[in-house]
Amino acid sequence: EAGVAQSPRYKIIEKRQSVAFWCNPISGHATLYWYQQILGQGPKLLIQFQNNGVVDDSQLPKDRFSAERLKGVDSTLKIQPAKLEDSAVYLCASSQGGRLKFFGPGTRLTVL
Amino acid sequence: AQTVTQSQPEMSVQEAETVTLSCTYDTSESDYYLFWYKQPPSRQMILVIRQEAYKQQNATENRFSVNFQKAAKSFSLKISDSQLGDAAMYFCAYRVNQAGTALIFGKGTTLSVSS
Repeated sequence: EAGVAQSPRYKIIEKRQSVAFWCNPISGHATLYWYQQILGQGPKLLIQFQNNGVVDDSQLPKDRFSAERLKGVDSTLKIQPAKLEDSAVYLCASSQGGRLKFFGPGTRLTVL
Repeated sequence: AQTVTQSQPEMSVQEAETVTLSCTYDTSESDYYLFWYKQPPSRQMILVIRQEAYKQQNATENRFSVNFQKAAKSFSLKISDSQLGDAAMYFCAYRVNQAGTALIFGKGTTLSVSS
């Protein structure tokens, strides 16, 4: 069974630029999560999708962050414009029902 | 609001020795899960062990075991016979027992293992 795929693995941009991350969950997993992990901290939920609908985006900075999950499969997380404090690892995870969550390898974003 | 606290930013252990990582949590829910995740430098989050709150018996997975104290809201991880490959960041996490709910993580404990 293929795991959760994410790309790119690394991204370096300058502040005020835009960036997008992609996630492909495990086949058949209806729930998809985006977490932000700032260095030295635990992951924090940004947004959760159930199929292609948003379940929880209460901690998503909506003035600069956006996410979509077209057709209930792949998802894209975008930051526009990026700030220095957005430097972090962005983790994607998926699950089916109440079962275990599987995490992708993450994308490390550096904003200069 | 539910919170997870890991009070040990760093821990160290000698190879073959035993180490215990601490975690406390706060919740008003009675039905929930607790987890320990391992995150090596590759950043891949790996599930180490899981505990259902309704189970009194402490979970065990090979060299990893937990001490779950529900009344005290404490959930510590014991690693026995530590190996060099155990060196990583360890996160304690919580979620309500409801399908599709997100995990809430602590800040993590960095474990170093020396030979």
